[in-house]
Amino acid sequence: DTGVSQDPRHKITKRGQNVTFRCDPISEHNRLYWYRQTLGQGPEFLTYFQNEAQLEKSRLLSDRFSAERPKGSFSTLEIQRTEQGDSAMYLCASSLTTSNYGYTFGSGTRLTVV
Amino acid sequence: TQLLEQSPQFLSIQEGENLTVYCNSSSVFSSLQWYRQEPGEGPVLLVTVVTGGEVKKLKRLTFQFGDARKDSSLHITAAQPGDTGLYLCAGMEYGNKLVFGAGTILRVKS
Repeated sequence: DTGVSQDPRHKITKRGQNVTFRCDPISEHNRLYWYRQTLGQGPEFLTYFQNEAQLEKSRLLSDRFSAERPKGSFSTLEIQRTEQGDSAMYLCASSLTTSNYGYTFGSGTRLTVV
Repeated sequence: TQLLEQSPQFLSIQEGENLTVYCNSSSVFSSLQWYRQEPGEGPVLLVTVVTGGEVKKLKRLTFQFGDARKDSSLHITAAQPGDTGLYLCAGMEYGNKLVFGAGTILRVKS
């Protein structure tokens, strides 16, 4: 297993366009998390899945954001009608349900909205 | 959501010096984790502490979890340039998700 993979690594888009990011977690991990990180800050929770069920979504997440994990394996995060304030690093992580073992993060997708 | 405060926000030291980073909250966590992050990469887990008062050592790094499970510290002995990076503490909300502090940027000069 090569760890958590995220695609693309970088995305530049014009304001108002839609973007979609993909995350492939570690295959044995049933939990998958999405975080957003801006420069100089720690990761901010967006949403998480246990298998295919989305169990929690941050109240900070506007309705322009949607995430799916249709078969309990890979996940996608879509942002509709992007705004400049969406520019950030989007991090995906996976873990076992017993999360005291920690999360394994991917390298992230850097989004720049121009 | 519970909040974690890290201090200092930025630390610049000479190679060979010792340092301590603090992570504080008014809330209790089921566990606390420390991560290190390099520019353009995701955070990498260093350690998980679970029991109040627990101390864990990882080579020159010593991690401590407060007795009340609300705070933690990371002590680095004889810092090396390779220790440079962003150090993040993260508290596990019971059975739920990790909440991260804002991080401490460490720069070790040779």
